[in-house]
Amino acid sequence: AQRVTQPEKLLSVFKGAPVELKCNYSYSGSPELFWYVQYSRQRLQLLLRHISRESIKGFTADLNKGETSFHLKKPFAQEEDSAMYYCALSVNNFNKFYFGSGTKLNVKP
Amino acid sequence: ETGVTQSPTHLIKTRGQQVTLRCSSQSGHNTVSWYQQALGQGPQFIFQYYREEENGRGNFPPRFSGLQFPNYSSELNVNALELDDSALYLCASSLGRGQGEAFFGQGTRLTVV
Repeated sequence: AQRVTQPEKLLSVFKGAPVELKCNYSYSGSPELFWYVQYSRQRLQLLLRHISRESIKGFTADLNKGETSFHLKKPFAQEEDSAMYYCALSVNNFNKFYFGSGTKLNVKP
Repeated sequence: ETGVTQSPTHLIKTRGQQVTLRCSSQSGHNTVSWYQQALGQGPQFIFQYYREEENGRGNFPPRFSGLQFPNYSSELNVNALELDDSALYLCASSLGRGQGEAFFGQGTRLTVV
């Protein structure tokens, strides 16, 4: 069965510090991995997906199939990055997502 | 182009009652997925509708049912409400079953007392 684990409920960093939000998954097939973000009082929105290999708002994530991980990284955190971040797994390319429990990122001034 | 809208935004029901939640998909989208998000948890997949037919279901009992209309809007029905059904219910629309980005609504907060 598919499962997504985000081990940190809360991550606090200072502005300008590097950020890494961890995500591990279990799935026997070929997964598609995503990061979704929810800013305060806003709806859930896509941040990035592994197949696009883009950098969005300075964030990147690399799929490591050996370690079954898809960690989200940013070299220099900004206060506006403070939000709830969810890692999600899609199977069979059907936009049916299995979400982790989320990590709240707090970037302090 | 309008985004995904859900109604109502909040409601309170009594245990044993039935509830219907509604979702209008984004213009041009023909796929709607429903999720349940309990407090402190990530969204959990309930089911998906593609062109008016169910296209996959998560680990939810049959008292969770759905419908998609010809205009691709959708309903989520929950019968015999239990206290544990209290959660935020999210719908997401997308174009096609696997192409394109999924856009989420703002959610309906259901409280069962």
